[in-house]
Amino acid sequence: AQTVTQSQPEMSVQEAETVTLSCTYDTSESDYYLFWYKQPPSRQMILVIRQEAYKQQNATENRFSVNFQKAAKSFSLKISDSQLGDAAMYFCAYSGFQKLVFGTGTRLLVSP
Amino acid sequence: GAGVSQSPSNKVTEKGKDVELRCDPISGHTALYWYRQSLGQGLEFLIYFQGNSAPDKSGLPSDRFSAERTGGSVSTLTIQRTQQEDSAVYLCASSFSGVYNEQFFGPGTRLTVL
Repeated sequence: AQTVTQSQPEMSVQEAETVTLSCTYDTSESDYYLFWYKQPPSRQMILVIRQEAYKQQNATENRFSVNFQKAAKSFSLKISDSQLGDAAMYFCAYSGFQKLVFGTGTRLLVSP
Repeated sequence: GAGVSQSPSNKVTEKGKDVELRCDPISGHTALYWYRQSLGQGLEFLIYFQGNSAPDKSGLPSDRFSAERTGGSVSTLTIQRTQQEDSAVYLCASSFSGVYNEQFFGPGTRLTVL
């Protein structure tokens, strides 16, 4: 069974600084997708970024980028120029061709 | 267009009662998912509907839990004889065909079992 591990329950960053959230996963599949979702206090889950495993190039969405290391089964999220609105729970998720498997989340605190 | 909607937003019930939670997915999305999020936990997969295929029920924690999807659209998650450990936020999501597509989440239903 696939598992997703987020080892950082909570991270802090100051506005305008950069922070990296860690995620590792375990799978025997070769084709899969990885996601980072953001859940602000409103509870609404929002997709931040998606990575296809067959693509070597790391995905980027504006201030958000990933460091995808397939051999190491690592998928970290880097947030550049952090903003107060980035404060939320961040969930890493794995998808083969069945259900999504989520990590336990990392709470990101952003201070002025 | 409208996003995924869920009702009710909050539900308080007594132990032993049955509850029904509703999800209206985005129009045109063929896939629909239910998750459970307990306090301080990640999302726990419950059930997955894809088009007219038999649903993937592998995440349902007990036979007290069931779900239906009528007409390929609205879904209802039913919990029978609720227990205190059923207290959680129940999230619904929908997507275009395939779990590799972005899932759009509803705001969730917070269930409290007294």
